[in-house]
Amino acid sequence: DAGITQSPRHKVTETGTPVTLRCHQTENHRYMYWYRQDPGHGLRLIHYSYGVKDTDKGEVSDGYSVSRSKTEDFLLTLESATSSQTSVYFCAINQRGNEQFFGPGTRLTVL
Amino acid sequence: DAKTTQPPSMDCAEGRAANLPCNHSTISGNEYVYWYRQIHSQGPQYIIHGLKNNETNEMASLIITEDRKSSTLILPHATLRDTAVYYCIVRPPYTGANSKLTFGKGITLSVRP
Repeated sequence: DAGITQSPRHKVTETGTPVTLRCHQTENHRYMYWYRQDPGHGLRLIHYSYGVKDTDKGEVSDGYSVSRSKTEDFLLTLESATSSQTSVYFCAINQRGNEQFFGPGTRLTVL
Repeated sequence: DAKTTQPPSMDCAEGRAANLPCNHSTISGNEYVYWYRQIHSQGPQYIIHGLKNNETNEMASLIITEDRKSSTLILPHATLRDTAVYYCIVRPPYTGANSKLTFGKGITLSVRP
Protein backbone atom coordinates (compact mmCIF):
# COMPACT_ATOMS: atom_id res chain seq x y z
CA ASP A 1 0.00 0.00 0.00
CA ALA A 2 1.51 3.31 -1.10
CA GLY A 3 -0.45 5.32 1.47
CA ILE A 4 -2.20 7.32 -1.22
CA THR A 5 -5.43 9.15 -0.49
CA GLN A 6 -7.66 11.43 -2.50
CA SER A 7 -10.00 14.13 -1.29
CA PRO A 8 -12.79 14.72 -1.64
CA ARG A 9 -14.07 11.31 -2.70
CA HIS A 10 -17.26 12.76 -4.13
CA LYS A 11 -18.11 16.29 -5.18
CA VAL A 12 -21.00 17.96 -6.95
CA THR A 13 -20.45 21.47 -8.20
CA GLU A 14 -21.89 23.95 -10.64
CA THR A 15 -20.57 25.04 -14.00
CA GLY A 16 -18.13 27.93 -13.72
CA THR A 17 -17.00 27.27 -10.18
CA PRO A 18 -13.39 26.47 -9.31
CA VAL A 19 -12.64 23.00 -7.98
CA THR A 20 -9.47 21.58 -6.44
CA LEU A 21 -8.83 17.90 -5.96
CA ARG A 22 -6.11 16.73 -3.65
CA CYS A 23 -3.86 13.70 -3.86
CA HIS A 24 -1.81 12.90 -0.80
CA GLN A 25 0.91 10.27 -0.39
CA THR A 26 2.89 9.35 2.67
CA GLU A 27 5.91 7.54 1.24
CA ASN A 28 7.93 10.29 -0.42
CA HIS A 29 7.41 9.06 -3.99
CA ARG A 30 8.81 11.40 -6.57
CA TYR A 31 6.42 10.79 -9.47
CA MET A 32 2.70 11.51 -9.25
CA TYR A 33 -0.03 11.47 -11.89
CA TRP A 34 -3.60 12.62 -12.43
CA TYR A 35 -5.88 10.60 -14.74
CA ARG A 36 -9.52 10.92 -15.62
CA GLN A 37 -11.77 8.02 -16.57
CA ASP A 38 -14.85 8.29 -18.70
CA PRO A 39 -17.07 5.66 -20.33
CA GLY A 40 -15.74 4.80 -23.76
CA HIS A 41 -12.39 6.47 -23.18
CA GLY A 42 -10.69 4.47 -20.47
CA LEU A 43 -8.09 6.24 -18.38
CA ARG A 44 -6.44 9.33 -19.82
CA LEU A 45 -3.51 11.22 -18.36
CA ILE A 46 -4.18 14.85 -17.44
CA HIS A 47 -0.93 16.01 -15.82
CA TYR A 48 1.99 14.47 -14.03
CA SER A 49 4.75 15.58 -11.72
CA TYR A 50 8.33 14.40 -11.39
CA GLY A 51 9.22 16.42 -8.33
CA VAL A 52 8.35 19.45 -6.28
CA LYS A 53 7.41 22.27 -8.65
CA ASP A 54 8.12 20.02 -11.66
CA THR A 55 5.02 19.19 -13.66
CA ASP A 56 4.12 18.43 -17.23
CA LYS A 57 1.02 18.01 -19.37
CA GLY A 58 -0.63 14.77 -20.34
CA GLU A 59 -2.94 14.07 -23.24
CA VAL A 60 -6.04 15.87 -21.88
CA SER A 61 -4.63 18.83 -19.96
CA ASP A 62 -6.85 21.61 -21.34
CA GLY A 63 -8.96 23.17 -18.59
CA TYR A 64 -6.79 21.77 -15.81
CA SER A 65 -3.83 23.03 -13.83
CA VAL A 66 -1.73 21.32 -11.20
CA SER A 67 0.57 22.27 -8.41
CA ARG A 68 3.09 20.41 -6.31
CA SER A 69 4.55 22.60 -3.61
CA LYS A 70 5.60 19.66 -1.45
CA THR A 71 6.40 16.04 -2.17
CA GLU A 72 3.36 14.56 -0.52
CA ASP A 73 0.64 16.63 -2.20
CA PHE A 74 -0.35 16.90 -5.87
CA LEU A 75 -3.28 19.21 -6.49
CA LEU A 76 -5.50 19.25 -9.56
CA THR A 77 -7.47 22.44 -10.18
CA LEU A 78 -10.34 23.07 -12.51
CA GLU A 79 -10.32 26.87 -12.74
CA SER A 80 -13.85 27.05 -14.10
CA ALA A 81 -15.56 23.69 -14.11
CA THR A 82 -17.56 22.58 -17.15
CA SER A 83 -19.99 19.70 -17.59
CA SER A 84 -17.45 17.94 -19.82
CA GLN A 85 -15.21 17.63 -16.76
CA THR A 86 -17.71 15.40 -15.02
CA SER A 87 -15.63 12.28 -14.52
CA VAL A 88 -13.86 10.01 -12.11
CA TYR A 89 -10.38 11.29 -11.30
CA PHE A 90 -7.58 8.99 -10.22
CA CYS A 91 -4.26 9.93 -8.75
CA ALA A 92 -1.30 7.58 -9.03
CA ILE A 93 2.28 7.31 -7.88
CA ASN A 94 5.24 5.31 -9.19
CA GLN A 95 6.18 2.59 -6.79
CA ARG A 96 9.17 0.28 -6.91
CA GLY A 97 10.37 2.12 -9.98
CA ASN A 98 7.95 0.71 -12.54
CA GLU A 99 4.59 0.00 -10.99
CA GLN A 100 1.96 2.66 -10.73
CA PHE A 101 -0.24 2.52 -7.67
CA PHE A 102 -3.60 4.26 -7.91
CA GLY A 103 -5.68 6.05 -5.35
CA PRO A 104 -9.36 5.30 -4.69
CA GLY A 105 -10.63 7.99 -7.06
CA THR A 106 -12.74 11.14 -6.83
CA ARG A 107 -16.13 11.23 -8.48
CA LEU A 108 -16.81 14.76 -9.72
CA THR A 109 -20.16 15.90 -11.09
CA VAL A 110 -20.45 19.32 -12.71
CA LEU A 111 -24.05 20.46 -13.11
CA ASP B 1 4.57 3.51 -27.15
CA ALA B 2 3.47 0.41 -29.04
CA LYS B 3 -0.24 -0.19 -29.36
CA THR B 4 -1.98 -3.21 -27.89
CA THR B 5 -5.04 -5.08 -29.08
CA GLN B 6 -7.29 -7.04 -26.76
CA PRO B 7 -10.66 -8.67 -27.36
CA PRO B 8 -13.43 -6.71 -25.67
CA SER B 9 -14.60 -9.44 -23.33
CA MET B 10 -14.35 -13.04 -22.24
CA ASP B 11 -15.65 -15.22 -19.49
CA CYS B 12 -14.54 -18.26 -17.58
CA ALA B 13 -15.84 -20.56 -14.88
CA GLU B 14 -14.87 -20.04 -11.27
CA GLY B 15 -11.92 -22.21 -10.30
CA ARG B 16 -10.69 -22.59 -13.87
CA ALA B 17 -7.74 -20.83 -15.44
CA ALA B 18 -8.44 -17.56 -17.21
CA ASN B 19 -6.17 -16.90 -20.19
CA LEU B 20 -6.30 -13.29 -21.34
CA PRO B 21 -4.64 -12.58 -24.70
CA CYS B 22 -2.96 -9.41 -25.89
CA ASN B 23 -1.41 -8.54 -29.23
CA HIS B 24 1.42 -6.02 -29.45
CA SER B 25 2.93 -6.65 -32.85
CA THR B 26 4.75 -3.29 -33.01
CA ILE B 27 6.52 -3.67 -29.70
CA SER B 28 10.10 -2.42 -29.62
CA GLY B 29 13.00 -4.37 -28.27
CA ASN B 30 13.25 -2.44 -25.02
CA GLU B 31 9.53 -2.13 -24.28
CA TYR B 32 7.94 -3.99 -21.42
CA VAL B 33 4.51 -5.60 -21.27
CA TYR B 34 2.47 -4.57 -18.24
CA TRP B 35 -0.87 -5.81 -17.01
CA TYR B 36 -3.25 -3.92 -14.77
CA ARG B 37 -6.80 -4.62 -13.78
CA GLN B 38 -9.65 -2.46 -12.58
CA ILE B 39 -12.41 -3.82 -10.46
CA HIS B 40 -15.63 -1.84 -10.71
CA SER B 41 -15.39 1.64 -9.16
CA GLN B 42 -11.85 1.09 -7.90
CA GLY B 43 -8.52 2.43 -9.12
CA PRO B 44 -6.45 0.25 -11.46
CA GLN B 45 -4.28 -2.35 -9.78
CA TYR B 46 -0.86 -3.48 -10.97
CA ILE B 47 -0.67 -7.22 -11.69
CA ILE B 48 2.58 -8.14 -13.40
CA HIS B 49 5.07 -7.08 -16.06
CA GLY B 50 7.75 -8.67 -18.22
CA LEU B 51 10.22 -8.06 -21.00
CA LYS B 52 11.09 -11.38 -22.66
CA ASN B 53 10.90 -14.17 -20.14
CA ASN B 54 7.76 -15.56 -18.65
CA GLU B 55 6.98 -14.14 -15.25
CA THR B 56 4.97 -15.38 -12.29
CA ASN B 57 3.92 -13.76 -9.06
CA GLU B 58 1.30 -14.38 -6.42
CA MET B 59 -1.45 -12.98 -8.62
CA ALA B 60 -0.79 -14.28 -12.10
CA SER B 61 1.57 -15.59 -14.76
CA LEU B 62 2.63 -13.72 -17.87
CA ILE B 63 3.58 -15.67 -20.97
CA ILE B 64 5.32 -13.67 -23.72
CA THR B 65 5.84 -15.28 -27.11
CA GLU B 66 9.36 -15.64 -28.40
CA ASP B 67 8.85 -12.95 -31.05
CA ARG B 68 7.28 -10.75 -28.32
CA LYS B 69 4.37 -9.84 -30.56
CA SER B 70 1.79 -11.21 -28.18
CA SER B 71 1.36 -12.23 -24.59
CA THR B 72 -1.10 -14.02 -22.34
CA LEU B 73 -2.00 -13.22 -18.77
CA ILE B 74 -2.99 -16.34 -16.85
CA LEU B 75 -5.04 -16.31 -13.69
CA PRO B 76 -4.58 -19.93 -12.61
CA HIS B 77 -7.72 -20.33 -10.50
CA ALA B 78 -10.16 -17.57 -11.26
CA THR B 79 -12.54 -16.44 -8.54
CA LEU B 80 -15.58 -14.20 -8.68
CA ARG B 81 -13.43 -11.39 -7.29
CA ASP B 82 -11.29 -11.54 -10.44
CA THR B 83 -14.18 -10.13 -12.47
CA ALA B 84 -12.69 -6.87 -13.77
CA VAL B 85 -11.35 -5.00 -16.78
CA TYR B 86 -7.81 -6.10 -17.58
CA TYR B 87 -5.45 -3.75 -19.36
CA CYS B 88 -2.42 -4.84 -21.36
CA ILE B 89 0.04 -1.95 -21.71
CA VAL B 90 3.34 -1.68 -23.52
CA ARG B 91 5.78 0.91 -22.29
CA PRO B 92 9.47 1.74 -22.54
CA PRO B 93 11.79 1.17 -19.63
CA TYR B 94 11.20 3.38 -16.64
CA THR B 95 12.59 6.71 -17.65
CA GLY B 96 11.29 8.96 -14.95
CA ALA B 97 9.19 11.65 -16.53
CA ASN B 98 8.22 9.31 -19.35
CA SER B 99 6.91 6.66 -17.02
CA LYS B 100 3.28 7.49 -17.67
CA LEU B 101 0.90 4.71 -18.70
CA THR B 102 -1.31 4.72 -21.77
CA PHE B 103 -4.47 2.72 -21.15
CA GLY B 104 -6.56 1.21 -23.92
CA LYS B 105 -10.05 -0.17 -23.46
CA GLY B 106 -8.92 -3.44 -21.95
CA ILE B 107 -10.71 -6.75 -21.82
CA THR B 108 -13.64 -7.35 -19.50
CA LEU B 109 -13.29 -10.68 -17.75
CA SER B 110 -16.44 -12.12 -16.25
CA VAL B 111 -15.99 -15.06 -13.90
CA ARG B 112 -19.16 -17.10 -13.61
CA PRO B 113 -20.04 -19.31 -10.62
